[in-house]
Amino acid sequence: QSALTQPASVSGSPGQSITISCTGTSSDVGSYNLVSWYQQHPGKAPKLMIYEGSKRPSGVSNRFSGSKSGNTASLTISGLQAEDEADYYCCSYAGSSTLGYVFGTGTKVTVL
Amino acid sequence: EVQLVESGGGLVQPGGSLRLSCAASGFTFSSYWMHWVRQAPGKGLVWVSRINSDGSSTSYADSVKGRFTISRDNAKNTLYLQMNSLRAEDTAVYYCARGQGSGSYWWVYWGQGTLVTVSS
Repeated sequence: QSALTQPASVSGSPGQSITISCTGTSSDVGSYNLVSWYQQHPGKAPKLMIYEGSKRPSGVSNRFSGSKSGNTASLTISGLQAEDEADYYCCSYAGSSTLGYVFGTGTKVTVL
Repeated sequence: EVQLVESGGGLVQPGGSLRLSCAASGFTFSSYWMHWVRQAPGKGLVWVSRINSDGSSTSYADSVKGRFTISRDNAKNTLYLQMNSLRAEDTAVYYCARGQGSGSYWWVYWGQGTLVTVSS
């Protein structure tokens, strides 16, 4: 199972909006509405930001939003803030056999 | 408060074995599927394994199948990962994680991770 493809890095100035793409296949992202997104600061455990493609857990800022089209999911961060600087990973369920779950390659978000 | 605390990591030689533990508290452990996710130094997250709530069903990433075994003791509120035939590429921080619901496909709660280093 290959990792989902994300851009290695995305940057933006405070207040701007950025979008991170996550491209999979018809066997994972395209087949299930089960994409989740995680934020990870250095040395810390991942934090869930989006689940089921577009839903936000309680406590996550509404500046974070998710969407999906075909085999590609996207995470948009609006009103970029300094504390958003982190690594972001998408993840998709990949089937009930032995395929399990597949993560994206990760994107480093830099706030300029 | 939900807490997941991993332990058991350390330095092990190639071909060796190690057992990781994840002590859970703050929720009804026996009601939830549990997962292991790992992250090699400077690299991305990789899902490793999953076990259902009563331990009757497990699944593994291809990279660890046949070498790793996930298990749980619901009486002790503890998740385990038995790792055998360890390779250098198994070097990583290993996280245990719990979903939002009993069988959800995303992870709300994560432990702090335990580092496994496979080296001679």
